[in-house]
Amino acid sequence: QVTLRESGPALVKPKQTLTLSCTFSGFSLKTNAMCVAWIRQPPGKALEWLARIDWDDDTFYNISLRTRLTISKDTSKNQVVLIMSDMDPVDTATYYCVRGIYGTSWFLDSWGQGALVTVSS
Amino acid sequence: NFMLTQPHSVSGSPGKTIVISCTRSSGSIASNYVQWFQQRPGSSPTSVIYDDDRRPSGIPDRFSGSIDSSSNSASLTISGLKAEDEADYYCQSYHNANWVFGGGTKLTVL
Repeated sequence: QVTLRESGPALVKPKQTLTLSCTFSGFSLKTNAMCVAWIRQPPGKALEWLARIDWDDDTFYNISLRTRLTISKDTSKNQVVLIMSDMDPVDTATYYCVRGIYGTSWFLDSWGQGALVTVSS
Repeated sequence: NFMLTQPHSVSGSPGKTIVISCTRSSGSIASNYVQWFQQRPGSSPTSVIYDDDRRPSGIPDRFSGSIDSSSNSASLTISGLKAEDEADYYCQSYHNANWVFGGGTKLTVL
């Protein structure tokens, strides 16, 4: 059974750096054609893809946010970390980590429960 | 980059069929696969269609997906509507390594 769980601060101040962890089980990020991605959703709004890290360490970022994002993985701990700098109140959102499996495209088959992050002074 | 445009809301009565569209602003809809997600209130999204028209395990065949190159859009069709289908639905596609989501459609079962 695949599970993903996001963890991190519920509240950050403007200009601070956010660090979120995704701890997963039921699969390995050393397995070919696997990825973990971060996707966020502001309250009442649409989903937005942030970043992705693949089994082969390749990383990809949302073009509009790439200067603020860093994604990394620790396969020994089954963990993926997202760092987002210079937080702003508009970054208030639920942040999801998601597993992807590549066949003919990325199938996003398992989502974490999400972590609500509020940016406020 | 491109955008995916969805209707803000659709509605239908139990037992009826609804269609949610997802129109790509630039580039061909047929060039990159489309995935659809269902998000019930207070829950994480779940995939109901991937690779344009494939159903994940456990998704009933009442859910189907298609693409139409003439309108440069993808569609999610739900037949035999049930109360449990009431949710937000999002389409998603990509170009190169950039993933894009539509703005979401709220489905109300009357």
